[in-house]
Amino acid sequence: EPEVTQTPSHQVTQMGQEVILRCVPISNHLYFYWYRQILGQKVEFLVSFYNNEISEKSEIFDDQFSVERPDGSNFTLKIRSTKLEDSAMYFCASSVHLRDSYGYTFGSGTRLTVV
Amino acid sequence: DQQVKQNSPSLSVQEGRISILNCDYTNSMFDYFLWYKKYPAEGPTFLISISSIKDKNEDGRFTVFLNKSAKHLSLHIVPSQPGDSAVYFCAASENSGGYQKVTFGTGTKLQVIP
Repeated sequence: EPEVTQTPSHQVTQMGQEVILRCVPISNHLYFYWYRQILGQKVEFLVSFYNNEISEKSEIFDDQFSVERPDGSNFTLKIRSTKLEDSAMYFCASSVHLRDSYGYTFGSGTRLTVV
Repeated sequence: DQQVKQNSPSLSVQEGRISILNCDYTNSMFDYFLWYKKYPAEGPTFLISISSIKDKNEDGRFTVFLNKSAKHLSLHIVPSQPGDSAVYFCAASENSGGYQKVTFGTGTKLQVIP
């Protein structure tokens, strides 16, 4: 069964450092997303990406965040200068289209710990 | 503004009994609803969905009911099994600029007791 792959599974970084979270979506999917879940809180939408550009972003997705699909395969989330409150599980997801009833396929997440 | 609410953070059910997980929403533009299941250290996995034009969708032990007038949906699991123990997220989607934007609830942790 096709799956969304995320690397690394756990990333520890010092405050102020840049991190790049990597995702390989399912190959025939067209829509890509990043969500995050701070421990004990809800899953929050960060950004959606379609046709090589950001379709929508939430208020969480400020100037320190950026996304890229550099090679048609990987989908990355970059946090330029990490803060303690960026510590969370970050989930990548992809979809062909939601109306196929299978919804999004999520990766298993990257746990980001900012110290 | 929490558009998708799961008011019960946790639920315990005996094995073999019915589990009922509830979800309320406020955005009338939502037209598709989904339930996801999440085990620790894993990403959410799709469980079942329902379009806003239906009021019930069934898949094996899982049934989702939608009450549009009440802006309420529920997930029924019967019979419940210990392997169903997980966090269940209700999600709702709307068409936003040509794609489907999904909003998640806060989750309900289900524990099925053997």
